[in-house]
Amino acid sequence: SQKIEQNSEALNIQEGKTATLTCNYTNYSPAYLQWYRQDPGRGPVFLLLIRENEKEKRKERLKVTFDTTLKQSLFHITASQPADSATYLCALDVTSGTYKYIFGTGTRLKVLA
Amino acid sequence: GAGVSQSPSNKVTEKGKDVELRCDPISGHTALYWYRQSLGQGLEFLIYFQGNSAPDKSGLPSDRFSAERTGGSVSTLTIQRTQQEDSAVYLCASSPPGTGGGYTFGSGTRLTVV
Repeated sequence: SQKIEQNSEALNIQEGKTATLTCNYTNYSPAYLQWYRQDPGRGPVFLLLIRENEKEKRKERLKVTFDTTLKQSLFHITASQPADSATYLCALDVTSGTYKYIFGTGTRLKVLA
Repeated sequence: GAGVSQSPSNKVTEKGKDVELRCDPISGHTALYWYRQSLGQGLEFLIYFQGNSAPDKSGLPSDRFSAERTGGSVSTLTIQRTQQEDSAVYLCASSPPGTGGGYTFGSGTRLTVV
């Protein structure tokens, strides 16, 4: 069956360190993979999109990698700050190129001051 | 408008009643999506509208759920004969044409069925 897995346990890290979140998927062949941030009581906010032919994408302190062989994406936040504390969701297009995305359950990140 | 607007923000209804949830997407966004999120859970896909194409209804959990999108803009999600398991946050999102952008989500409607 098709699955998107994100670490359901919260990730606590110290301010200034790099946070690394993992998204694994099975039985999908996505053309696009996205990462979102969600704060309590709010809708998710789009952060980054990476295409299947891209290995890595950066935006300010964020970096995303996409390994279609391992069926895995890693999401990094460098020089993390308490304001980065949130739940981070990965999403991938359920059928290549349809722009219809299925979401993982998210990983809660807490950055400790 | 500047963002995706959803109304109402909160809705409490009695079991068995019908409810309508409204979504006003960003002007010019051709795609519109409905998801729902139960407490502590991920986003569950419900329905997807793309331009003038027939909607993708594959995520609707039962025939009590329906949605329409009028004039390629505002969408209404209707739940008939609500059940307690329908309690969740219903999120609407829109996206522009093409491949480069992500979704813009509204803040959601929190539905509580008592």
